[in-house]
Amino acid sequence: DGGITQSPKYLFRKEGQNVTLSCEQNLNHDAMYWYRQDPGQGLRLIYYSQIVNDFQKGDIAEGYSVSREKKESFPLTVTSAQKNPTAFYLCASSMGNQAKNIQYFGAGTRLSVL
Amino acid sequence: AQKVTQAQTEISVVEKEDVTLDCVYETRDTTYYLFWYKQPPSGELVFLIRRNSFDEQNEISGRYSWNFQKSTSSFNFTITASQVVDSAVYFCASSGSARQLTFGSGTQLTVLP
Repeated sequence: DGGITQSPKYLFRKEGQNVTLSCEQNLNHDAMYWYRQDPGQGLRLIYYSQIVNDFQKGDIAEGYSVSREKKESFPLTVTSAQKNPTAFYLCASSMGNQAKNIQYFGAGTRLSVL
Repeated sequence: AQKVTQAQTEISVVEKEDVTLDCVYETRDTTYYLFWYKQPPSGELVFLIRRNSFDEQNEISGRYSWNFQKSTSSFNFTITASQVVDSAVYFCASSGSARQLTFGSGTQLTVLP
C-alpha cells in the first residue's frame, strides 16, 4: 500500500533528551514536511524539504532538526533545546513544492514529556 | 502572507441534519489554492478537496459540497444528511506564492446519533 508511515505512534521524552521521529513515504514524492499540532490549533510548519540533501526552516524550527539523506525518509529530531515539545507531530509529502500540490499526511506521532 | 479563519470552534448536530463549516481566507496572491482536510480521531489528515482561485464553480461529491466565493473570500463546506462517521476535526487551508500550506484552527464537528 502506498502511503506515509510515521513511527512511533507514541513517544515519551525525558528532560534533556533528544528524540527522533521517523517518517517514511513510498509515494515517490519529492517534497516532505513536518508539522506540529497543539490542542485546538491548526498545523504549524516546522521544516520542509523539496529534494534530497536539502531542507528549509518553517515557521517554528527552533529546537528541531531534520535530515533528508534518502528521498523516502525525512526524520525529525526534537532536541533538548525545544522547551515545550509536548504536541502531535504530523509528517506529509507531496509530488512537488508548488502551491497546487496536495499534501498527504501520515498518522502522526504524539510526543509527551516525562 | 496567507491567513485562514475558521470561526466555528465546535459544532454539534444530530444525525441527518445538514451542517455548514465556514472558512474565510486572506491573501494578496492572485493565484492561490484552497483545501479542506478531515482529521478523524485516529489523527491522520485526510485530503477532501482542492480549489484554485480561478475556478469558482461549486462542487458536490456525494453528501459533501463546497461553495467558493471570491467576493467574500470564503470557501465553505456543507455536509448534507450528516452521519456519526462525519465526526472529526475539519481544517481549511490555503497555499499561494510562498508555496506553503496555511491552516485554519479547525472546526470540531460532532454528529450525535
